[in-house]
Amino acid sequence: DTAVSQTPKYLVTQMGNDKSIKCEQNLGHDTMYWYKQDSKKFLKIMFSYNNKELIINETVPNRFSPKSPDKAHLNLHINSLELGDSAVYFCASSQDITGPQYFGPGTRLTVL
Amino acid sequence: QKEVEQDPGPLSVPEGAIVSLNCTYSNSAFQYFMWYRQYSRKGPELLMYTYSSGNKEDGRFTAQVDKSSKYISLFIRDSQPSDSATYLCAMKGGYQKVTFGTGTKLQVIP
Repeated sequence: DTAVSQTPKYLVTQMGNDKSIKCEQNLGHDTMYWYKQDSKKFLKIMFSYNNKELIINETVPNRFSPKSPDKAHLNLHINSLELGDSAVYFCASSQDITGPQYFGPGTRLTVL
Repeated sequence: QKEVEQDPGPLSVPEGAIVSLNCTYSNSAFQYFMWYRQYSRKGPELLMYTYSSGNKEDGRFTAQVDKSSKYISLFIRDSQPSDSATYLCAMKGGYQKVTFGTGTKLQVIP
């Protein structure tokens, strides 16, 4: 199946822990994104990579660090998790930086 | 004022009705306009992608963009219970990031 995939789908963890979310796309796209969707369903961009290069870095705590080992993968590492980090995190990709974005299924993060 | 305004609903319609979903925006640099459908606990799914003003039709869906009024619409004809979801408008200008509306929750009642 051609798609954007994310792992894990659910992540439940304690405050202060470090966790990672992985994203892979097999659409052959050049650009990948991380979004955070809060409890009110508002989608907010966090990061964007184009050809493994960081091009968008919104006002996000530096506890969040994206890594793009290649064009098809964009991972998100979160250090010292806080209660306010609880949300659904979506990965997305687009052909290039102007094209429409295709989203993954999301990772529901719950910090206890 | 938010860059993109979208009525959160919920909007309830009977099956078979024509649904009209709308967004207004303030940034005149926006050139690309999108509509996404998001089912509960799923990722947003791209429905329509349009550039500049005009209409685009795909099956039961029609997207309209009026750049002079800074207003975009999504029409759903012959609405079905399976159309029940949250609909997100999104827009961007050139190499800018995408700005999303807050979404309109639609319920189609059988």
